[in-house]
Amino acid sequence: KAGVTQTPRYLIKTRGQQVTLSCSPISGHRSVSWYQQTPGQGLQFLFEYFSETQRNKGNFPGRFSGRQFSNSRSEMNVSTLELGDSALYLCASSGNRGWDYGYTFGSGTRLTVV
Amino acid sequence: AQTVTQSQPEMSVQEAETVTLSCTYDTSENNYYLFWYKQPPSRQMILVIRQEAYKQQNATENRFSVNFQKAAKSFSLKISDSQLGDTAMYFCAFMKGSGGGADGLTFGKGTHLIIQP
Repeated sequence: KAGVTQTPRYLIKTRGQQVTLSCSPISGHRSVSWYQQTPGQGLQFLFEYFSETQRNKGNFPGRFSGRQFSNSRSEMNVSTLELGDSALYLCASSGNRGWDYGYTFGSGTRLTVV
Repeated sequence: AQTVTQSQPEMSVQEAETVTLSCTYDTSENNYYLFWYKQPPSRQMILVIRQEAYKQQNATENRFSVNFQKAAKSFSLKISDSQLGDTAMYFCAFMKGSGGGADGLTFGKGTHLIIQP
């Protein structure tokens, strides 16, 4: 059974640009969540999508957005990149509620903003 | 809002020893779930163990077990017979069991566990 796949693995962008990250969940999983991991702030919840609808959202500015497609694949977009957006972005999928069996995470996308 | 505290930034033990990682949390919720995740250098977060707050019995998964003290809001992880492959960052995480998990997972800052040969 394939795991959670995130692409690309690494990304370097310039301040002011925008970026799109992709996440393919485990087959059959309908929930996709996104987290930002930085040395200073640790792991922070960005948002969760379920059946193409944003179900929950963390405390991030509107520059961070996402969407989910009918096949449950999800994309996360960050517009007008700032240096502080440099982070590891992790995607996690689950069947329905994440507490059922816990979330399965991907290996992340390392975003560097210069 | 919930908070999760891991007071040990780094721990180092010899292979085959037993080690306990500490985690405390603060919440006003009564229905919640607790998790321990492991993040090796490959960056992928791997679920180690999961505990439902309404269950008094401590969860166990092979060499991994927890000591869940609900009244004290404590959730420590014990690793028995530690192995070199256990070297990783370990994160304690909290999730509300109601409201659709509205805040997602709340993580602690992590404990870097090093298993020495």
